[in-house]
Amino acid sequence: QSVLTQPPSVSGAPGQRVTISCTGSSSNIGAHYDVHWYQQLPGEAPKLLISGNSNRPSGVPDRFSGSKSGTSASLTITGLQSEDEADYYCQSYDNSLSIFYVFGTGTKVTVL
Amino acid sequence: EVQLLESGGGLVQPGGSMRLSCAASGFNLSRQTVIWVRQAPGKGLECVSGISGTGGGTYYADSVKGRFTVSRDKSENTLYLQMNSLRAEDTAVYYCAKGNIDYFSSRNFFDSWGQGTLVSVAS
Repeated sequence: QSVLTQPPSVSGAPGQRVTISCTGSSSNIGAHYDVHWYQQLPGEAPKLLISGNSNRPSGVPDRFSGSKSGTSASLTITGLQSEDEADYYCQSYDNSLSIFYVFGTGTKVTVL
Repeated sequence: EVQLLESGGGLVQPGGSMRLSCAASGFNLSRQTVIWVRQAPGKGLECVSGISGTGGGTYYADSVKGRFTVSRDKSENTLYLQMNSLRAEDTAVYYCAKGNIDYFSSRNFFDSWGQGTLVSVAS
């Protein structure tokens, strides 16, 4: 069971803005560890979307943005497109776990 | 170009063993953190094991500790996951993923992923 909680699903019409939350605790996000985001298209492997809370790797459209505050982080998609329909996962470091790296529960984004 | 290619998955009976491989190209596996992440059918991502590039320290989730062993072959630039005493709940697609830092740092993120290999544990 993940220690990073995300809403199971969010949806929006094309062109709209959607935000996905990632809620942690004092042993992960609240301990000032970075949050990273991954996109998993249907049938594919996860792909890095945002690193270090808000940095987009080369090739990631600028409609994707990330932020972090306190024990939570958020991924925002501005100007939703049909190809953004996918599962999204946050990831951080947790100093209470033996494996240290933890992923969020995942959020399915549906484009209406 | 960095590539990771998993292999070795398949059907195994409960209590059985299986060894997964992750062949790396485009980077030196001994110099980067690499982790194994699994995804049960219809479920989320779970990091189950990892190995530090520097020093080769190994790490395991509580769910697999004592049953799974991660190792690497420097000459083959390949990572392995030996899985013993397999259970039905180990059924998942297993991915290997490369970190951006050579040790198990809090700043690690995973910038390259393999395509995954399916492990099914059933009688």
